[in-house]
Amino acid sequence: AQTVTQSQPEMSVQEAETVTLSCTYDTSESDYYLFWYKQPPSRQMILVIRQEAYKQQNATENRFSVNFQKAAKSFSLKISDSQLGDAAMYFCAYRSANYGGSQGNLIFGKGTKLSVKP
Amino acid sequence: SQTIHQWPATLVQPVGSPLSLECTVEGTSNPNLYWYRQAAGRGLQLLFYSVGIGQISSEVPQNLSASRPQDRQFILSSKKLLLSDSGFYLCAWEGQINSPLHFGNGTRLTVT
Repeated sequence: AQTVTQSQPEMSVQEAETVTLSCTYDTSESDYYLFWYKQPPSRQMILVIRQEAYKQQNATENRFSVNFQKAAKSFSLKISDSQLGDAAMYFCAYRSANYGGSQGNLIFGKGTKLSVKP
Repeated sequence: SQTIHQWPATLVQPVGSPLSLECTVEGTSNPNLYWYRQAAGRGLQLLFYSVGIGQISSEVPQNLSASRPQDRQFILSSKKLLLSDSGFYLCAWEGQINSPLHFGNGTRLTVT
């Protein structure tokens, strides 16, 4: 069974600085997707960024980028120019490339709580 | 554009009472629908998923059930709530193959 591990329960960053959140996963599959979701105090889960395992190029979305190391099964999130609104729980998630239903189930890590200091 | 509605936002229910949480999706057809539960300090756990009307699959044996009476409606129910049913419940949908899941705003359920 696939597992996702986030080893940093809490992280803190100064406003305008850069922070990296770690995520490792375990799978025997070769084709899958990885996600970072953000959950602010409002509790809504918001998709931050997505990476397809077959793509070597790291995904980027504005200030958010990932470092995807497939061989090492590592998927870290880098937030540049951190803003106060970035403060939230961040969840790393894995999903098999098999479509839909349980086979498409998102497997979440336990999350990292990010604080942004003004 | 597609939107997902989930209600109520918060709910306090006594042990033994019934439960009904509703989720509807707009702007898409034949979505896959999911119910997740998030316990305090933990990630999300998949409870149920549905690939079509009347088609429900359960991932975890529990005191809860789900139904999909219409294409874009997904309901989470219980006949008798337990204290352990307390948590944050999230509905999610997906449309195209391998598209990301999109979540509702969630329901905070407290069983007293």
